[in-house]
Amino acid sequence: GAVVSQHPSRVICKSGTSVKIECRSLDFQATTMFWYRQFPKKSLMLMATSNEGSKATYEQGVEKDKFLINHASLTLSTLTVTSAHPEDSSFYICSTRVRDYEQYFGPGTRLTVT
Amino acid sequence: GQNIDQPTEMTATEGAIVQINCTYQTSGFNGLFWYQQHAGEAPTFLSYNVLDGLEEKGRFSSFLSRSKGYSYLLLKELQMKDSASYLCAFMDSNYQLIWGAGTKLIIKP
Repeated sequence: GAVVSQHPSRVICKSGTSVKIECRSLDFQATTMFWYRQFPKKSLMLMATSNEGSKATYEQGVEKDKFLINHASLTLSTLTVTSAHPEDSSFYICSTRVRDYEQYFGPGTRLTVT
Repeated sequence: GQNIDQPTEMTATEGAIVQINCTYQTSGFNGLFWYQQHAGEAPTFLSYNVLDGLEEKGRFSSFLSRSKGYSYLLLKELQMKDSASYLCAFMDSNYQLIWGAGTKLIIKP
């Protein structure tokens, strides 16, 4: 299977600052990566689909100006939470799909906004 | 519309068997997945069913009935390390995963 890494694993930031989360596909060239967020005891919520070399596709209700996604290469996608607020505190997970039925997740990033 | 439902929490005893059910509704279907997620970690893949029937993989088995919109994950010989949340998800006609909220499984000695 594919190996996906995320950095940082945990981040604490002050309200109003921006935070960048990196997602790397270590052994697979990922033309598409997915970004999810998960609140405690809740389901994974797809935020956006990141496409290499083109604009990301955002799910309904997700502010694209707040959650900036860049997929500049086949192995790296980044999610930047701009002007973070406490309600943005969540667990952010990226994933890549090798085949239609094989999806591999990064270890996740715990964001806490104070 | 689309929806997916699974119990919020279940408790079982070490060494026993537990079945976690998942029901779903969708017009387009490309398979049913089960993932395990330990607290604070990302989900890890357990199983994939696209045809009706039972798929066995070691201590874990997964069953699918497409006509009933129903799946279950069966865990045998439970171990303490099996304490986790178990997420079911189906893949819709756009190959997008639609996730359940997860079932928290508590294993007691």
